[in-house]
This record gives sequence, C-alpha cells and structure tokens, in this order.
Amino acid sequence: DADVTQTPRNRITKTGKRIMLECSQTKGHDRMYWYRQDPGLGLQLIYYSFDVKDINKGEISDGYSVSRQAQAKFSLSLESAIPNQTALYFCATSDTMGEAFFGQGTRLTVV
Amino acid sequence: GDSVTQMEGPVTLSEEAFLTINCTYTATGYPSLFWYVQYPGEGLQLLLKATKADDKGSNKGFEATYRKETTSFHLEKGSVQVSDSAVYFCALSDLGSYGKLTFGQGTILTVHP
Repeated sequence: DADVTQTPRNRITKTGKRIMLECSQTKGHDRMYWYRQDPGLGLQLIYYSFDVKDINKGEISDGYSVSRQAQAKFSLSLESAIPNQTALYFCATSDTMGEAFFGQGTRLTVV
Repeated sequence: GDSVTQMEGPVTLSEEAFLTINCTYTATGYPSLFWYVQYPGEGLQLLLKATKADDKGSNKGFEATYRKETTSFHLEKGSVQVSDSAVYFCALSDLGSYGKLTFGQGTILTVHP
C-alpha cells in the first residue's frame, strides 16, 4: 500500500460546484500538507496541519478550505470551483526534519 | 522569507552525458536541503538530502553538496540514463518554518538515447 493515498486521481467538475479531495497516510506523521502544482511554478502550499487541532494557511489558501479528521486524514475542499483552480494537487506528510512523502496527485479540471 | 531558485529549464541531454542542475536558496535559519524527483504521472519522491553545511547527499548516482558559503545545493550526475528523464525539484526545510518545504520551480530533464 502507498504511504500517502489521494482520492480521486482525476476529476472534472463544473464552475461553481463544491468538490472535496481526500488524503490519507500510513506513515504515522503528525504533519500533513496540501500543495498545488502548475506548470513552471513548482509547488505552492495551500494549507498545512501539524496535528489534528492545528490548521494553518499556506501561500495560496484563498478559495480553499481543509479538514483534519484524524491524524491520518486531511481533506481539501474547493467551496465554489473556478477554472483557474484547474491544476494538479498533491497531499504530503512529513517528519519533523521536513522529509516529505507525497501522494500520486489529483488532476482537477474545472470547466 | 525562504526561497529556492533553480536553473532555467528544460534540460535535454544525450545518454551518458554529465548533468548539473543548479539550485540556490535563501533562508533565515539553518535549513535542511532536498532534491525531489517527479517521474511522469507520479508524485514527488525524495532523491537525496543534506542537513548541514558540507554534507553530501547521494542516491542512484546523483550527488549534491550543501554549500553554505554560496547558499547552493547543485545536483550532479556523471552519466545520465533515459530512465532519469523526470522533473527535479530543489527544496528546503527551515526549522524556523516548522519543517514546511519551500520548493524551486522544477527543472524538466529529458535524456535521449
């Protein structure tokens, strides 16, 4: 089994719809992250969580929300999807030194 | 704030050529440095890391040395293979940012037979 599992792997949704991306990890780490990848821009941090009761905004949190349901689960929601949120989304978990383990990504298309 | 700058890409090489991908960083503290690799259709995976100045990280023939004086962490490989074709990301994690990773923009490497 993968250390970090994301669902769905691909999703096409319409503008204005609410969508949730889910992530679960088996590494036992407290820290979890959601990143967005756009071509030529590397990875940008959307939200991060250092434990179940700790949620923090990243560089590009506008238009997104998250929920940390358990140590192993961290979901990302787009409340009202817009076309410029079309991107590849990655969930990750890390140890305290920053070494991260990534999911395989969710390719989201907003039409 | 922390930042990472990678050399402009994409990079195209012939098999067995020497590879260098430059990476420089800015950080307020004493960061750990990483290279991650992303193969087509996959997530990022750790390639190598270095946690303090003058450390050399190495894996799968790739190497990078943590140079504090030049704030650099250049990735090198002596002889690339077609299977090395991927996107390479330099990243740092600063204790001052509680372990969050800051990424460079990524460098696309294509190796031809």
